[in-house]
Amino acid sequence: GEDVEQSLFLSVREGDSSVINCTYTDSSSTYLYWYKQEPGAGLQLLTYIFSNMDMKQDQRLTVLLNKKDKHLSLRIADTQTGDSAIYFCAEGITGGGNKLTFGTGTQLKVEL
Amino acid sequence: NAGVTQTPKFQVLKTGQSMTLQCAQDMNHNSMYWYRQDPGMGLRLIYYSASEGTTDKGEVPNGYNVSRLNKREFSLRLESAAPSQTSVYFCASSFPMGQPETQYFGPGTRLLVL
Repeated sequence: GEDVEQSLFLSVREGDSSVINCTYTDSSSTYLYWYKQEPGAGLQLLTYIFSNMDMKQDQRLTVLLNKKDKHLSLRIADTQTGDSAIYFCAEGITGGGNKLTFGTGTQLKVEL
Repeated sequence: NAGVTQTPKFQVLKTGQSMTLQCAQDMNHNSMYWYRQDPGMGLRLIYYSASEGTTDKGEVPNGYNVSRLNKREFSLRLESAAPSQTSVYFCASSFPMGQPETQYFGPGTRLLVL
């Protein structure tokens, strides 16, 4: 089955950039996604990238996709304390309709 | 719009007890999902319903049953709870066959099985 992997923790100082990495296995995924989970809440879609793109920028967020290495990253510029959360990457399941496979999640801690 | 709502927010069960987790959405979505979230394992799909009247197993369906009561509601039942089912359960819904796939999540139900 599909396997999406992320490192579990990342700690950065406020104002620095954060880079969260993800590796995925299904090379035929059409879209790849980043979701954010704030403490005690459900997940919210942050951004996504179409598989024929290699970069997408959305305000402070930059998504980079390396299809050859099946590597996805999320860069948050000027990280703020409000960015502290768990970040999940996800890929669509080929032939699985609307189903997604989520990664293990990376807990981002922003320190003053 | 309330989005996706879940009840209860928190529940403690004894091993062998049964319970039903409720989920409702008011966004007229066709597809609904149940996930469990465990530390270090991300979200794993338990069951999903692509449309009213249909349900299918996900990655970890054992020990659970679901009912798609109508387009709005999708419930998850634990017939005989086990400590391994201690987890946070999330319900989600999505646009019909929408791409990119935007799943909207409820706030979660925290379940402790003793």
